[in-house]
Amino acid sequence: RKEVEQDPGPFNVPEGATVAFNCTYSNSASQSFFWYRQDCRKEPKLLMSVYSSGNEDGRFTAQLNRASQYISLLIRDSKLSDSATYLCVVKNGHKLVFGAGTILRVKS
Amino acid sequence: NAGVTQTPKFQVLKTGQSMTLQCAQDMNHEYMSWYRQDPGMGLRLIHYSVGAGITDQGEVPNGYNVSRSTTEDFPLRLLSAAPSQTSVYFCASAGDSNQPQHFGDGTRLSIL
Repeated sequence: RKEVEQDPGPFNVPEGATVAFNCTYSNSASQSFFWYRQDCRKEPKLLMSVYSSGNEDGRFTAQLNRASQYISLLIRDSKLSDSATYLCVVKNGHKLVFGAGTILRVKS
Repeated sequence: NAGVTQTPKFQVLKTGQSMTLQCAQDMNHEYMSWYRQDPGMGLRLIHYSVGAGITDQGEVPNGYNVSRSTTEDFPLRLLSAAPSQTSVYFCASAGDSNQPQHFGDGTRLSIL
């Protein structure tokens, strides 16, 4: 079993749609959680950190459920520019563990 | 503001050759790391460093060496290249391991 698991997708959605991604992690001692975004053939870039109380940044909302060991990302009012691969990342000690990513394609 | 600089951007090697992938950052970050990214597998940690003079192994360290003689530089050495090491390599840095990581542009390495 992978330490961080994500549905690879692709999620094909129309502009303006709301889309949600989930991610599960296996190490209950994981300390920190992040969502990164990666465009095709580019480097990953931090989208947002994920806090226990949940957090929102504009159209993006991230939530953490420690009891069930999953993290979610909700994107509202999807834009064409949101098309990318979304990486769920978990921190264990000094190490970051990346999920394989979920592909989002937003179509007009 | 250069951030994290990786060189070269592309490289083709023959099996058995050795080479060094360079990574430099100008943000005075203590934490640096190397990842490889293969299709369908996400990024996997090769080695990391929490400060100058300190390195440790990640998930897939075999076939790679690193050193951290300065805060700025964290080179990755392939000792004897194998086709299984064909991948995209990313270097990243952060103030510490709790901070978001800044990634370089990547090195696309092919081994024939």
